[in-house]
Amino acid sequence: LAKTTQPISMDSYEGQEVNITCSHNNIATNDYITWYQQFPSQGPRFIIQGYKTKVTNEVASLFIPADRKSSTLSLPRVSLSDTAVYYCLVGPRDDKIIFGKGTRLHILP
Amino acid sequence: GAVVSQHPSWVICKSGTSVKIECRSLDFQATTMFWYRQFPKQSLMLMATSNEGSKATYEQGVEKDKFLINHASLTLSTLTVTSAHPEDSSFYICSERGREGSDEQFFGPGTRLTVL
Repeated sequence: LAKTTQPISMDSYEGQEVNITCSHNNIATNDYITWYQQFPSQGPRFIIQGYKTKVTNEVASLFIPADRKSSTLSLPRVSLSDTAVYYCLVGPRDDKIIFGKGTRLHILP
Repeated sequence: GAVVSQHPSWVICKSGTSVKIECRSLDFQATTMFWYRQFPKQSLMLMATSNEGSKATYEQGVEKDKFLINHASLTLSTLTVTSAHPEDSSFYICSERGREGSDEQFFGPGTRLTVL
């Protein structure tokens, strides 16, 4: 499984757009990029998944450059409730998930 | 989407006792479920893959005789922590793979185990 590197923590303010970048230099051809969100004392929750270019859903956007060696999760107009840990995962679909350290996002009022 | 429940949500036990944690898929027959453990301020660590009707596959370093996994039906997987010790105190989370071709895994709410 490709190793991922993402910032340990980030701070932002309510109403701002937050971009969290993840590096995955060893991504394989059949790997997908998936992001999960975890609140304290809860199980992770799926946010978005992509393979290339851009994916958007009602929660976030995922930007993937042509070389796929990195990806950026974009959260539009964050609120205090977006304070959580965000995990970037890279691997084949339907494979077991190995979590990295994640990014602890703290939204300030 | 699929919904996963866990029971109990929290449990406190004495050292040396065994604790069983249940993971249920509420609206999907899950042939594969996963068990994770998470210590405070740390990431989730995959413990094992639970396969319905067959033996679980344990990750390296996880003691299979200490963490017993049973997946006897398509909707229920259980994790039994045998002879629990304080260092086993952790947050245990299960997940299911979801339907074939699904983008996501569905995680349970977790079980907080405290061993005194």
